[in-house]
Amino acid sequence: KAGVTQTPRYLIKTRGQQVTLSCSPISGHRSVSWYQQTPGQGLQFLFEYFSETQRNKGNFPGRFSGRQFSNSRSEMNVSTLELGDSALYLCASSLGSHLDRNSPLHFGNGTRLTVT
Amino acid sequence: EDQVTQSPEALRLQEGESSSLNCSYTVSGLRGLFWYRQDPGKGPEFLFTLYSAGEEKEKERLKATLTKKESFLHITAPKPEDSATYLCAVLGGGTGTASKLTFGTGTRLQVTL
Repeated sequence: KAGVTQTPRYLIKTRGQQVTLSCSPISGHRSVSWYQQTPGQGLQFLFEYFSETQRNKGNFPGRFSGRQFSNSRSEMNVSTLELGDSALYLCASSLGSHLDRNSPLHFGNGTRLTVT
Repeated sequence: EDQVTQSPEALRLQEGESSSLNCSYTVSGLRGLFWYRQDPGKGPEFLFTLYSAGEEKEKERLKATLTKKESFLHITAPKPEDSATYLCAVLGGGTGTASKLTFGTGTRLQVTL
């Protein structure tokens, strides 16, 4: 069974640009969650999509947005990039909601975004 | 506010030297506690879910335990391939409280020959 696939693996962007990251979940998983991982803050929740609807949202500015398609694939967009957006962005899929205790998260290997 | 604190931040063990990693938490209504393993350059990999105090789960050289305030990940006779960052996450949300999943910042484990 294929795991969670994230593309691209690495991105280098300039301040002010925008970026789109892609995530293909495990087949059959309807929930896709996005996390930002930095050395100091750990994993910070961005948002969750379930059956094409945003179910939950973390405390990130509106520059961070996402969407989910009918095949459960998801994209995350960051506009007007700032230096502080440099991080590893992880996507996780699960059968149920990421808040379902019986539905652990399955993570992709992330997209490493560097903003210069 | 839910809080998860993992200690130590980093741990260096010799092969065969058993030890424990700690995950202390403060949460409104614990619904589940998760352990993940993360290798460099990869995403976290799910290890265990613990649901209530007193519960234990085992997998190869790893055993996770849970109390009302903390969880331990015991590593027995570790091998170099156990080297990784171990993350703890707590799912909180009792009656009338919004559910939330909170991750700790992890313990970086290095096992040497």
